[in-house]
Amino acid sequence: SSELTQDPAMSVALGQTVTITCHGDGLRTYYASWYQQKPGQAPVLVIYGKKDRPLGIPDRFSGFSSGSTAALTITGAQAEDEADYYCSSRDSSGNRHWVFGGGTKLTVL
Amino acid sequence: EVQLVESGGGLMQPGGSLRLSCAVSGFTVSSNYVTWVRQAPGKGLEWVSVIYSSGTTYYADSVRGRVTISRDNSKNTVYLQMNSLRAGDTAMYYCARVLRGMVVLAPPYDWWFDPWGQGTLVTVSS
Repeated sequence: SSELTQDPAMSVALGQTVTITCHGDGLRTYYASWYQQKPGQAPVLVIYGKKDRPLGIPDRFSGFSSGSTAALTITGAQAEDEADYYCSSRDSSGNRHWVFGGGTKLTVL
Repeated sequence: EVQLVESGGGLMQPGGSLRLSCAVSGFTVSSNYVTWVRQAPGKGLEWVSVIYSSGTTYYADSVRGRVTISRDNSKNTVYLQMNSLRAGDTAMYYCARVLRGMVVLAPPYDWWFDPWGQGTLVTVSS
């Protein structure tokens, strides 16, 4: 089955830019989607497809995908962006499953 | 407004059974894919199961043979029947709608989960 790899933790200064990456060979077949999860809350979709953003998600969130790497960039990070971020994609092995990355805990300093 | 509301979680003994419900509003479960995802305490997200609009189902290896996903179109609700519960099944269980991008001739293909329910907690302990 496919695997997705994320850095466990990252930090960013308030107002600065941070890029969270997700690596996996399966990303050559399926785009990653990105989910933000704050403590005690359900995950929320923030990016899907090559770089699509759902309605209601601030435009400081952007996505990029190339080859086996997907990236989520927050430009001008705000205190409320402190959260866990998970990438996910469909399993490219043909088993019709989905996989998640291990998640990146983002701290806004 | 699209909404998914989970229920049915609780404290269960090892070996027991439980049925989780995902009540949907704003879309029809018979025309959409719905998935279950779980999250053990302090851990990451783990995909569990999906039911297609066709009724086809798939399961993660960790639950296959012990879990059954189904739906009741008249109640617009998706269920997750969990049997032979283990301590490792302790988690928050979320349901979500599965969406797909435009059909394209070549990869990459586009799938995502949106929205998610608020979750229901299953605790398996003696």
